[in-house]
Amino acid sequence: SQELEQSPQSLIVQEGKNLTINCTSSKTLYGLYWYKQKYGEGLIFLMMLQKGGEEKSHEKITAKLDEKKQQSSLHITASQPSHAGIYLCGADGGGSGNTPLVFGKGTRLSVIA
Amino acid sequence: NAGVTQTPKFQVLKTGQSMTLQCAQDMNHEYMSWYRQDPGMGLRLIHYSVGAGITDQGEVPNGYNVSRSTTEDFPLRLLSAAPSQTSVYFCASSYSRPAFNQPQHFGDGTRLSIL
Repeated sequence: SQELEQSPQSLIVQEGKNLTINCTSSKTLYGLYWYKQKYGEGLIFLMMLQKGGEEKSHEKITAKLDEKKQQSSLHITASQPSHAGIYLCGADGGGSGNTPLVFGKGTRLSVIA
Repeated sequence: NAGVTQTPKFQVLKTGQSMTLQCAQDMNHEYMSWYRQDPGMGLRLIHYSVGAGITDQGEVPNGYNVSRSTTEDFPLRLLSAAPSQTSVYFCASSYSRPAFNQPQHFGDGTRLSIL
């Protein structure tokens, strides 16, 4: 089954700085999802990447999919306190094709003034 | 638009008690699933359903039952609560399976403590 490893596990950055979170898969990635979770809340869908080389942006967050490396990266430019939370990557769990997403363990981001 | 609604938001149980966690979605999604989230373990799949009347086990199904009698509802039952089931439970739904590149929408979670 698919396994996703995220790095780093936690990150503390100063407001205004850029940062990158990585998600590496144990198998070929056919689709990769990024979610954000605030403490005490559910997961909010950010972006979905479907093809190798694909890059998507939403406000100051950019995600890329490197199919050859079986990896995706999430880049935040000029971080703000509102970016704080847990970022999770998810991918199709493989198998019969019916399985829901499997997730990485998340990257906890703190943004300090 | 309510999206995915989970009830209750918080619950404390004693060991051995049973209860049902409710999940309802109003988006006419065929695909629904239950996850539990534990520190250091990430999200782990408990059960899922590809449509009314069809359910299947995920990674950690023991101690839990599900049924899917309608498209809208997907309740999760704890048969005899154990302290190891203390966790945050999330219900998710999507139009179709993730293999078709359909993002899952999540509820706000149920925080369950077993004493």
